[in-house]
Amino acid sequence: AQKITQTQPGMFVQEKEAVTLDCTYDTSDPSYGLFWYKQPSSGEMIFLIYQGSYDQQNATEGRYSLNFQKARKSANLVISASQLGDSAMYFCAMREGDGYGGSQGNLIFGKGTKLSVKP
Amino acid sequence: NAGVTQTPKFQVLKTGQSMTLQCAQDMNHEYMSWYRQDPGMGLRLIHYSVGAGITDQGEVPNGYNVSRSTTEDFPLRLLSAAPSQTSVYFCASSYAGRSYEQYFGPGTRLTVT
Repeated sequence: AQKITQTQPGMFVQEKEAVTLDCTYDTSDPSYGLFWYKQPSSGEMIFLIYQGSYDQQNATEGRYSLNFQKARKSANLVISASQLGDSAMYFCAMREGDGYGGSQGNLIFGKGTKLSVKP
Repeated sequence: NAGVTQTPKFQVLKTGQSMTLQCAQDMNHEYMSWYRQDPGMGLRLIHYSVGAGITDQGEVPNGYNVSRSTTEDFPLRLLSAAPSQTSVYFCASSYAGRSYEQYFGPGTRLTVT
Protein backbone atom coordinates (compact mmCIF):
# COMPACT_ATOMS: atom_id res chain seq x y z
CA ALA A 1 0.00 0.00 0.00
CA GLN A 2 1.20 3.47 -0.77
CA LYS A 3 2.30 5.46 2.22
CA ILE A 4 1.83 8.82 0.52
CA THR A 5 -0.98 9.35 -1.95
CA GLN A 6 -1.41 12.41 -4.12
CA THR A 7 -4.56 11.85 -6.13
CA GLN A 8 -4.30 14.86 -8.44
CA PRO A 9 -1.78 14.23 -11.23
CA GLY A 10 -2.41 17.72 -12.60
CA MET A 11 -4.27 20.85 -11.60
CA PHE A 12 -4.98 24.26 -13.05
CA VAL A 13 -5.55 27.45 -11.08
CA GLN A 14 -6.18 31.02 -12.14
CA GLU A 15 -3.55 33.54 -11.15
CA LYS A 16 -4.30 35.23 -7.79
CA GLU A 17 -6.69 32.46 -6.72
CA ALA A 18 -6.03 29.95 -3.94
CA VAL A 19 -5.44 26.27 -4.66
CA THR A 20 -5.35 23.14 -2.52
CA LEU A 21 -3.12 20.20 -3.34
CA ASP A 22 -4.20 16.97 -1.71
CA CYS A 23 -2.02 14.54 0.21
CA THR A 24 -3.05 11.57 2.31
CA TYR A 25 -0.64 9.40 4.24
CA ASP A 26 -0.60 6.04 5.91
CA THR A 27 1.40 5.25 9.02
CA SER A 28 0.89 3.50 12.33
CA ASP A 29 3.70 5.43 14.00
CA PRO A 30 2.39 8.18 16.29
CA SER A 31 5.51 10.24 15.59
CA TYR A 32 6.05 11.48 12.05
CA GLY A 33 6.73 14.56 10.00
CA LEU A 34 5.13 15.73 6.79
CA PHE A 35 6.88 17.84 4.18
CA TRP A 36 6.00 19.56 0.94
CA TYR A 37 8.53 20.21 -1.79
CA LYS A 38 8.26 22.19 -5.02
CA GLN A 39 10.06 21.17 -8.20
CA PRO A 40 9.98 23.80 -10.93
CA SER A 41 10.78 22.94 -14.53
CA SER A 42 14.45 23.70 -13.84
CA GLY A 43 14.50 20.52 -11.75
CA GLU A 44 15.67 21.53 -8.29
CA MET A 45 13.80 20.39 -5.18
CA ILE A 46 12.72 23.28 -2.96
CA PHE A 47 11.47 22.72 0.59
CA LEU A 48 8.23 24.57 1.30
CA ILE A 49 6.71 23.61 4.62
CA TYR A 50 6.80 21.10 7.47
CA GLN A 51 4.16 19.73 9.86
CA GLY A 52 4.92 17.48 12.81
CA SER A 53 2.45 14.90 14.02
CA TYR A 54 2.35 16.45 17.48
CA ASP A 55 1.98 20.01 16.29
CA GLN A 56 -1.27 21.52 17.51
CA GLN A 57 -1.48 24.21 14.89
CA ASN A 58 -1.37 24.03 11.13
CA ALA A 59 1.96 25.11 9.69
CA THR A 60 2.20 28.29 7.66
CA GLU A 61 5.05 29.77 5.61
CA GLY A 62 4.17 32.91 3.74
CA ARG A 63 1.62 32.03 1.06
CA TYR A 64 1.85 28.33 1.93
CA SER A 65 -0.19 26.68 4.62
CA LEU A 66 -0.73 23.07 5.50
CA ASN A 67 -4.24 21.88 6.27
CA PHE A 68 -3.40 19.06 8.69
CA GLN A 69 -6.27 16.72 9.56
CA LYS A 70 -4.71 14.03 11.69
CA ALA A 71 -7.77 11.82 12.08
CA ARG A 72 -8.26 11.75 8.33
CA LYS A 73 -4.50 11.35 7.75
CA SER A 74 -4.42 14.20 5.32
CA ALA A 75 -1.91 17.02 4.90
CA ASN A 76 -3.11 19.23 2.11
CA LEU A 77 -1.03 22.14 0.88
CA VAL A 78 -2.85 25.42 0.37
CA ILE A 79 -1.26 28.08 -1.81
CA SER A 80 -2.93 31.45 -1.51
CA ALA A 81 -2.88 34.12 -4.21
CA SER A 82 -1.29 31.91 -6.86
CA GLN A 83 1.46 33.38 -8.99
CA LEU A 84 2.76 32.31 -12.39
CA GLY A 85 5.97 31.23 -10.68
CA ASP A 86 4.01 28.67 -8.66
CA SER A 87 3.67 26.50 -11.77
CA ALA A 88 5.65 23.39 -10.85
CA MET A 89 5.46 19.83 -9.57
CA TYR A 90 4.61 19.55 -5.89
CA PHE A 91 5.57 16.58 -3.79
CA CYS A 92 4.26 15.53 -0.41
CA ALA A 93 6.63 13.46 1.72
CA MET A 94 6.64 11.79 5.12
CA ARG A 95 9.30 10.83 7.63
CA GLU A 96 8.20 8.22 10.15
CA GLY A 97 9.44 8.03 13.72
CA ASP A 98 11.59 10.57 15.48
CA GLY A 99 14.02 10.69 12.59
CA TYR A 100 16.99 9.38 14.55
CA GLY A 101 18.88 6.33 13.49
CA GLY A 102 18.37 3.76 10.79
CA SER A 103 15.61 4.24 8.29
CA GLN A 104 13.89 6.90 10.37
CA GLY A 105 15.77 9.56 8.46
CA ASN A 106 14.19 8.48 5.19
CA LEU A 107 11.60 10.54 3.37
CA ILE A 108 8.81 8.71 1.57
CA PHE A 109 7.50 10.68 -1.39
CA GLY A 110 4.20 10.76 -3.19
CA LYS A 111 4.09 10.79 -6.98
CA GLY A 112 3.45 14.49 -7.17
CA THR A 113 0.92 16.96 -8.52
CA LYS A 114 1.68 19.20 -11.48
CA LEU A 115 0.25 22.64 -10.87
CA SER A 116 -0.26 25.03 -13.74
CA VAL A 117 -1.14 28.66 -13.01
CA LYS A 118 -3.08 30.42 -15.77
CA PRO A 119 -2.69 34.18 -16.33
CA ASN B 1 27.85 27.37 2.19
CA ALA B 2 27.69 25.52 -1.10
CA GLY B 3 24.94 23.27 0.28
CA VAL B 4 24.66 19.94 -1.55
CA THR B 5 26.70 19.64 -4.71
CA GLN B 6 26.47 16.92 -7.34
CA THR B 7 28.63 16.12 -10.33
CA PRO B 8 28.21 15.62 -13.19
CA LYS B 9 24.98 17.40 -14.18
CA PHE B 10 24.54 15.27 -17.29
CA GLN B 11 26.00 11.91 -18.30
CA VAL B 12 25.51 9.47 -21.14
CA LEU B 13 26.70 5.90 -20.65
CA LYS B 14 26.69 2.81 -22.77
CA THR B 15 25.17 -0.37 -21.40
CA GLY B 16 27.69 -2.17 -19.22
CA GLN B 17 29.81 0.85 -18.39
CA SER B 18 30.37 1.85 -14.80
CA MET B 19 30.56 5.29 -13.27
CA THR B 20 30.38 7.21 -10.01
CA LEU B 21 28.02 10.07 -9.27
CA GLN B 22 29.59 12.43 -6.78
CA CYS B 23 27.75 14.10 -3.91
CA ALA B 24 29.12 16.41 -1.24
CA GLN B 25 27.62 18.59 1.47
CA ASP B 26 29.22 21.21 3.68
CA MET B 27 26.53 21.49 6.35
CA ASN B 28 27.86 18.73 8.65
CA HIS B 29 24.66 16.74 8.13
CA GLU B 30 24.59 13.24 9.57
CA TYR B 31 22.06 11.88 7.11
CA MET B 32 22.64 11.56 3.36
CA SER B 33 20.65 9.76 0.72
CA TRP B 34 20.33 9.06 -2.98
CA TYR B 35 17.05 9.11 -4.88
CA ARG B 36 16.10 8.45 -8.44
CA GLN B 37 13.24 10.25 -10.12
CA ASP B 38 11.38 8.70 -13.01
CA PRO B 39 8.33 10.17 -14.77
CA GLY B 40 5.15 9.51 -12.80
CA MET B 41 7.02 7.75 -9.99
CA GLY B 42 8.00 10.48 -7.58
CA LEU B 43 11.37 10.07 -5.86
CA ARG B 44 12.46 6.60 -4.82
CA LEU B 45 15.19 5.97 -2.30
CA ILE B 46 18.22 4.04 -3.53
CA HIS B 47 20.65 4.07 -0.58
CA TYR B 48 21.11 6.14 2.52
CA SER B 49 23.63 6.78 5.26
CA VAL B 50 23.17 7.89 8.86
CA GLY B 51 26.83 8.74 9.34
CA ALA B 52 30.36 8.05 8.16
CA GLY B 53 30.92 4.33 7.75
CA ILE B 54 27.21 3.47 7.92
CA THR B 55 25.11 2.83 4.82
CA ASP B 56 21.93 0.91 4.09
CA GLN B 57 19.62 0.05 1.23
CA GLY B 58 16.50 1.91 0.29
CA GLU B 59 13.61 0.92 -1.92
CA VAL B 60 15.51 0.40 -5.21
CA PRO B 61 19.15 -0.53 -4.42
CA ASN B 62 19.87 -3.10 -7.13
CA GLY B 63 22.69 -2.10 -9.47
CA TYR B 64 24.05 0.61 -7.18
CA ASN B 65 26.73 0.78 -4.51
CA VAL B 66 27.51 3.49 -1.99
CA SER B 67 30.12 4.22 0.63
CA ARG B 68 30.52 6.98 3.21
CA SER B 69 34.09 7.42 4.32
CA THR B 70 33.59 11.03 5.44
CA THR B 71 30.68 13.08 6.73
CA GLU B 72 30.84 15.29 3.65
CA ASP B 73 30.89 12.81 0.75
CA PHE B 74 28.44 10.16 -0.39
CA PRO B 75 29.24 8.81 -3.88
CA LEU B 76 26.87 6.55 -5.79
CA ARG B 77 28.41 3.89 -8.03
CA LEU B 78 26.68 2.29 -10.97
CA LEU B 79 28.35 -1.08 -11.35
CA SER B 80 27.22 -2.05 -14.86
CA ALA B 81 24.85 0.48 -16.36
CA ALA B 82 21.56 -0.68 -17.84
CA PRO B 83 18.94 1.28 -19.82
CA SER B 84 16.58 0.87 -16.85
CA GLN B 85 18.92 3.13 -14.88
CA THR B 86 18.18 6.06 -17.16
CA SER B 87 16.83 8.56 -14.69
CA VAL B 88 17.45 11.78 -12.79
CA TYR B 89 19.45 11.19 -9.63
CA PHE B 90 19.25 13.40 -6.58
CA CYS B 91 21.48 13.44 -3.55
CA ALA B 92 20.07 14.87 -0.33
CA SER B 93 21.26 15.54 3.20
CA SER B 94 19.79 16.59 6.52
CA TYR B 95 20.35 16.67 10.24
CA ALA B 96 18.96 13.68 12.09
CA GLY B 97 15.57 14.36 13.60
CA ARG B 98 11.97 14.29 12.49
CA SER B 99 11.55 17.97 11.77
CA TYR B 100 14.61 18.63 9.66
CA GLU B 101 14.04 19.08 5.96
CA GLN B 102 16.28 17.38 3.46
CA TYR B 103 18.43 19.61 1.30
CA PHE B 104 18.71 18.42 -2.27
CA GLY B 105 21.48 18.71 -4.79
CA PRO B 106 20.72 19.96 -8.31
CA GLY B 107 20.44 16.45 -9.74
CA THR B 108 22.26 14.39 -12.36
CA ARG B 109 20.47 13.45 -15.54
CA LEU B 110 21.77 10.05 -16.63
CA THR B 111 21.02 8.37 -19.94
CA VAL B 112 22.09 4.78 -20.59
CA THR B 113 22.01 3.70 -24.23
